[in-house]
This record gives sequence, structure tokens and C-alpha cells, in this order.
Amino acid sequence: GAGVSQSPRYKVAKRGQDVALRCDPISGHVSLFWYQQALGQGPEFLTYFQNEAQLDKSGLPSDRFFAERPEGSVSTLKIQRTQQEDSAVYLCASSLEAALPTYEQYFGPGTRLTVT
Amino acid sequence: AQTVTQSQPEMSVQEAETVTLSCTYDTSESDYYLFWYKQPPSRQMILVIRQEAYKQQNATENRFSVNFQKAAKSFSLKISDSQLGDAAMYFCAYRSAGNYGGSQGNLIFGKGTKLSVKP
Repeated sequence: GAGVSQSPRYKVAKRGQDVALRCDPISGHVSLFWYQQALGQGPEFLTYFQNEAQLDKSGLPSDRFFAERPEGSVSTLKIQRTQQEDSAVYLCASSLEAALPTYEQYFGPGTRLTVT
Repeated sequence: AQTVTQSQPEMSVQEAETVTLSCTYDTSESDYYLFWYKQPPSRQMILVIRQEAYKQQNATENRFSVNFQKAAKSFSLKISDSQLGDAAMYFCAYRSAGNYGGSQGNLIFGKGTKLSVKP
């Protein structure tokens, strides 16, 4: 079946612009995670949704970052007034149910954001 | 807070040979899960192998096996009969074994080890 998809795959934004990154999880997956992966680093947790509820946003680096999942499927990560330190690959992952650790997180290909 | 450390930024192995990637972690929790993920240049992260901390037996998946030393907080990955397709970034990751959702579901990653396979 279809995996996790993300769009766009690449995004170049000028400093100060707003961007929106989309994640389409695997159909039926309850849990959705966003991670930020800086160059040469491992992914770092940003936020977590269970259906439409955002249960954890402790990893969001600033109030310029905002995520939503209004209907419990597609999710959008929005970054306002982008800055150079926002340049990274943004990964989305989904799983059937995060509360049960046996369920694997499936990752999307990521969106590479470059802020110039 | 939990941390994951991968001390080998890069490793190289000859095709058909065996290589071991190291990972150590720090936690005060007694129950958790450990993972190795593979990230090829296309950047889609793929789960390689998983270990439950309460299980003493080391996990094995075909050519991939782990050496889990709970007391030492060590979790190394052994790749046997290395193949060209094994070349990728490998990330070690930790997850709390919570019974509920929230932050206990997210993964904590190391910085990764870049594995090259020589033909």
C-alpha cells in the first residue's frame, strides 16, 4: 500500500517568508509525528498528534512553528517568518497507535527546507 | 532526559564482511525500546531492528543482529555478509515504553553513523 508522503520535497524560502509543509500519513494511522533533521544530525522530535488532537508540542523550537491535523489525517507544519536556522529536513512519521510500542513508526521522505 | 550517543560518525566495510555499529544511551527508566533505523540517500527512514529492554534475548533480523547490554546501556548493531545496498546512514533510537500517548511515543535519535560498503 501507499506509504507516508510529504510535499513539497524541496522548498527554498527567503528569510522572513512563511512556509507550509504537508504530510499525508498512511490511511488509518492514528498517530502522527513531526521531526526536524538538521544537516549531519539525527532527527529531533517536534510534535505529536493522536487523531486530530495535538498531545505534545514540546519540541517546537519557537512560537513561529505551528502544526495542525484538523481531520485526523493530513497534517501541516507551518513555519512563520522563516530564519536561516530553520533550514533542515522535516520528517513526518505515522503509526497505527503510538501508545502501543509494538507499532512501528513509518517515515515519509521528508521536505528539505532551505532558507536563504 | 534520555540521550543516545553514536560515537562512530563513519564506518567502512568490505562487501561480504561483517561490521558492528556502536550505540550507547542514558536513561533512568527500566522499560523502554531500542531501534536501529537505516536512512539511504533518498532519506526515507526504514526500521532495521527493534529490541525490547525487558527481553534478554538479542533481536535478530536476517543479516542484522544486535548486542544489547542493559547494564552497560549499550546497543550495537552487527551487519553480517555486508551488501552494497547496506550503504546508508544508520541511526540508533530510544523510545520510552509508556502505556499512553503523548511524548512517550516519540523517538530519541543519535547523530548517526554513515556506513560505506566497498565492492
